[in-house]
Amino acid sequence: KAGVTQTPRYLIKTRGQQVTLSCSPISGHRSVSWYQQTPGQGLQFLFEYFSETQRNKGNFPGRFSGRQFSNSRSEMNVSTLELGDSALYLCASSLASGYEQFFGPGTRLTVL
Amino acid sequence: DAKTTQPTSMDCAEGRAANLPCNHSTISGNEYVYWYRQIHSQGPQYIIHGLKNNETNEMASLIITEDRKSSTLILPHATLRDTAVYYCIVRLQYNNNDMRFGAGTRLTVKP
Repeated sequence: KAGVTQTPRYLIKTRGQQVTLSCSPISGHRSVSWYQQTPGQGLQFLFEYFSETQRNKGNFPGRFSGRQFSNSRSEMNVSTLELGDSALYLCASSLASGYEQFFGPGTRLTVL
Repeated sequence: DAKTTQPTSMDCAEGRAANLPCNHSTISGNEYVYWYRQIHSQGPQYIIHGLKNNETNEMASLIITEDRKSSTLILPHATLRDTAVYYCIVRLQYNNNDMRFGAGTRLTVKP
């Protein structure tokens, strides 16, 4: 069974731009969660989607948003990028909310 | 906020058992203990989880104390590929996917 895939793997943007990251969950998994990892703050929960609905949201500004499609694939968007948004963005999928989460390799975003 | 306390770093000799402790003194009755690890620049990898009984799978064993205030992850025969940051997480299962990762323990397996 294929694992979680994330595209792109690396991305360079400039301040003020926006970015969209994509995540394809493991086949059969309906829940997708997003995390941000930085050296200073560690791994932080962004939000979770299940059946196309956002179930939970972490403590991030409204510039961070996401959505989930009917095939469970998910995208997250960051608008008006700031230098501090440079991070590894990780997507995790699970059968449903509360089950073991399986992480993708991440997208490394660099904001210049 | 992470509800767990782990040592910052540990070393282990290759082939020996690695025992990684975790304190979770404020754990509530319906919260599970989860362990993940992250090898440099990769996504975290699920290892094992448990509620109150000891658990074992092909990767590791999880020993939870009777009062559930602490646990130990055991890698029975550590290899160089087990070098990683190990995260102990307390979470409600069947609730949501908001996992609060702490700083974890950096395990270095040495030849």
